[in-house]
Amino acid sequence: AQSVTQLDSQVPVFEEAPVELRCNYSSSVSVYLFWYVQYPNQGLQLLLKYLSGSTLVKGINGFEAEFNKSQTSFHLRKPSVHISDTAEYFCAVSDPPGGGNKLTFGTGTQLKVEL
Amino acid sequence: EAGVAQSPRYKIIEKRQSVAFWCNPISGHATLYWYQQILGQGPKLLIQFQNNGVVDDSQLPKDRFSAERLKGVDSTLKIQPAKLEDSAVYLCASSRGVSGELFFGEGSRLTVL
Repeated sequence: AQSVTQLDSQVPVFEEAPVELRCNYSSSVSVYLFWYVQYPNQGLQLLLKYLSGSTLVKGINGFEAEFNKSQTSFHLRKPSVHISDTAEYFCAVSDPPGGGNKLTFGTGTQLKVEL
Repeated sequence: EAGVAQSPRYKIIEKRQSVAFWCNPISGHATLYWYQQILGQGPKLLIQFQNNGVVDDSQLPKDRFSAERLKGVDSTLKIQPAKLEDSAVYLCASSRGVSGELFFGEGSRLTVL
């Protein structure tokens, strides 16, 4: 079974500083990778996804992530964060077609942006 | 385009009582999912429907949880009887195809006392 590890449960950062949220997954076979954001009392919103092709994926709100197959990682980055980026971020993995489009989520990283 | 609608947003019940949650997916989305998100954890898939058929319910506690999707549109998730450990947010999501882009509702927060 797939598993996703988000090592950092909380990441505090000052506004306009860069941030990296780490994600590692267990599978050595082809996978699809995702980052979702959850604002307080809201559902999850897709930030970006990797299905195939370029290993550097750009998403909404200035976020990007890099797929590293050899390290089975998919870390999320933003060069300059804003107060409005304060939220919980979830990394998720699914099998490619044939896997039923089922997502396995990590435990989440709470990003807290401070002035 | 309207998003995924869920109700109620909040529900508080005593243990051993029953509760039902409703979900209306995005129009045209054939696949519907129910996830359970316990505080401090990532969402866990409970059940997946393709149209009105069940694709995966391997993690649904069938002794107390049930779900249906009549006519391949709306879905209802029921818990009877509820236990303390069922306190969680129940997220409904839908997708059009197999690209993995799930669209989530705002969730139904259940507190079992």
